Amino acid sequence: QKEVEQDPGPLSVPEGAIVSLNCTYSNSAFQYFMWYRQYSRKGPELLMYTYSSGNKEDGRFTAQVDKSSKYISLFIRDSQPSDSATYLCAQKSAQGAQKLVFGQGTRLTINP
Amino acid sequence: DAGVIQSPRHEVTEMGQEVTLRCKPISGHDYLFWYRQTMMRGLELLIYFNNNVPIDDSGMPEDRFSAKMPNASFSTLKIQPSEPRDSAVYFCASSMRGGGSTDTQYFGPGTRLTVL
Repeated sequence: QKEVEQDPGPLSVPEGAIVSLNCTYSNSAFQYFMWYRQYSRKGPELLMYTYSSGNKEDGRFTAQVDKSSKYISLFIRDSQPSDSATYLCAQKSAQGAQKLVFGQGTRLTINP
Repeated sequence: DAGVIQSPRHEVTEMGQEVTLRCKPISGHDYLFWYRQTMMRGLELLIYFNNNVPIDDSGMPEDRFSAKMPNASFSTLKIQPSEPRDSAVYFCASSMRGGGSTDTQYFGPGTRLTVL
């Protein structure tokens, strides 16, 4: 079993829809969670970062962690064609830890 | 800053040949990471360095792979001999410990390697 599991998709939704992207993780010791966005033919870039449980909101994006079910979610409201990308969840064990474990990534397309 | 710089951007080679990928991290960053990305396995960490010293190479697939960081501004990932199953996009990333709570990793544009 991979440490971080993510449905690779692809996922295709109409513009304006609410998008839900999800990951599950197996290692409870990992307390820091991140979402990276990767446009086609580019490197990943950090989108959101959250610690432990709860929600974190940034504009149209909300990251959610449910420790009890080991579930990580990213919600995109009012989705735009420019949100079309691959979204990767990642986690690390502690604030100072440098090693990230990534999910496989979900390829998302927003149709105008 | 120009960001993380990788070269070449594309490499096509034949099985058995030596391949060298190059990376220049962001100035001032003390961590450097090499990743490999494939459709099947996603983004995998191969090795990372701190202050030019290899810290964790547990992700290096086999002895055919080697990485060096001779100074703070340059690193190489070498595959010798290359095999078709090494075909992937190889990313270099760098970060700065204490650079905010996230210690964000900044990725380069990647090198797309095809081994025929």
